[in-house]
Amino acid sequence: DIQMTQSPSSVSASVGDRVTITCRASQGISSWLAWYQQKPGKAPKLLIYAASSLQSGVPSRFSGSESGTDFTLTISSLQPEDFATYYCQQSNSFPRTFGQGTKVEIK
Amino acid sequence: QVQLQESGPGLVKPSQTLSLTCTVSGGSISSGGYYWSWIRQHPGKGLEWIGHIYYSGSTYYNPSLKSRVTISVDTSKNQFSLKLSSVTAADTAVYYCARALRSGFLDYWGQGTLVTVSS
Repeated sequence: DIQMTQSPSSVSASVGDRVTITCRASQGISSWLAWYQQKPGKAPKLLIYAASSLQSGVPSRFSGSESGTDFTLTISSLQPEDFATYYCQQSNSFPRTFGQGTKVEIK
Repeated sequence: QVQLQESGPGLVKPSQTLSLTCTVSGGSISSGGYYWSWIRQHPGKGLEWIGHIYYSGSTYYNPSLKSRVTISVDTSKNQFSLKLSSVTAADTAVYYCARALRSGFLDYWGQGTLVTVSS
């Protein structure tokens, strides 16, 4: 299985801050990576697919990038509704695997 | 707008079979192009992909669960189902159904249903 390792596991930030979350794949996955946002008691929501493509309806303050097996989710200016847990997921091979999650908390 | 809704017992006894159904509205499973998926989340933990099915009945399961999992589809009812046999407390989780694109990305999710395994 491909292991997806996210860092940090949690981050404290203030409204307006720039937040960066990293996901590292244990082997090459090309651009087969997605980012999801999950709020307590809710299902995950697709934010970014194919490493850097913004899902329809997702604010442009969210962006994704890649460098080899390292992937980054950036929130350019954190908004109150962005406090949540974020997961990466690879779809390069089976089984599909997720990172362990990064919780973005209010500072 | 595609919507998915899980249904099934919230409590299952150890060693029994967990059975859940996902009803899809706003789109037809039989139109093809998507993989109908199950994912679970243990309490306070991350996400685990269980498997998926195509409208034709073709399936792929997570090897870690393969011996106990069956996913089936009923295109006439626009539903797909999950069966997980010989459950233990370790199978207690929120179970989500979701639609996966051909790329494997999950673009629509159900709200999730908590299944507790306990006697």
